[in-house]
Amino acid sequence: KAGVTQTPRYLIKTRGQQVTLSCSPISGHRSVSWYQQTPGQGLQFLFEYFSETQRNKGNFPGRFSGRQFSNSRSEMNVSTLELGDSALYLCASSPDRDYGYTFGSGTRLTVV
Amino acid sequence: KNEVEQSPQNLTAQEGEFITINCSYSVGISALHWLQQHPGGGIVSLFMLSSGKKKHGRLIATINIQEKHSSLHITASHPRDSAVYICASPQGAQKLVFGQGTRLTINP
Repeated sequence: KAGVTQTPRYLIKTRGQQVTLSCSPISGHRSVSWYQQTPGQGLQFLFEYFSETQRNKGNFPGRFSGRQFSNSRSEMNVSTLELGDSALYLCASSPDRDYGYTFGSGTRLTVV
Repeated sequence: KNEVEQSPQNLTAQEGEFITINCSYSVGISALHWLQQHPGGGIVSLFMLSSGKKKHGRLIATINIQEKHSSLHITASHPRDSAVYICASPQGAQKLVFGQGTRLTINP
């Protein structure tokens, strides 16, 4: 059974650019959540999608957005990149709330 | 104050030792998650528990809902157990709030 797939694994972008990250959940999982991990702030919740609808959102600026497609694949977009956006971005999928999560390996974004 | 507190932040032990990592949370929860993160970043979900105790191999997780406290134990620790262990508490719909992590190093 395939796990949660995140692409790309590594990415280098320049300040001011935008970036799109992709997450393919485990087949049958309808919930996809996104997290940012930095050395200073640790792991922080970005947002969660279920059946193409955003159910919950963390405390991040509007430059961070996401969406989910009908096949449950999800993308997150960061516009007008800042140096502080350099982080490991993780997504996790689950069948629904109250179930365990399966995490992807993450996308390491470096903004220069 | 962080809603989820872990201790210790760093732990170094010798192979074979019994390891305990603690997690305290400040708000009521439906379940608590224990995660393992190896160098390179990938996260593995170890346990999700809402009461009592769960065991998987050499790993044991316990939770006391009344005291808002959970522990992760590793028996007969091995260098391959070296990783960062993170507890996380759901706050609302699918929003996980994470502890700061415990960096565990097991020396041979």
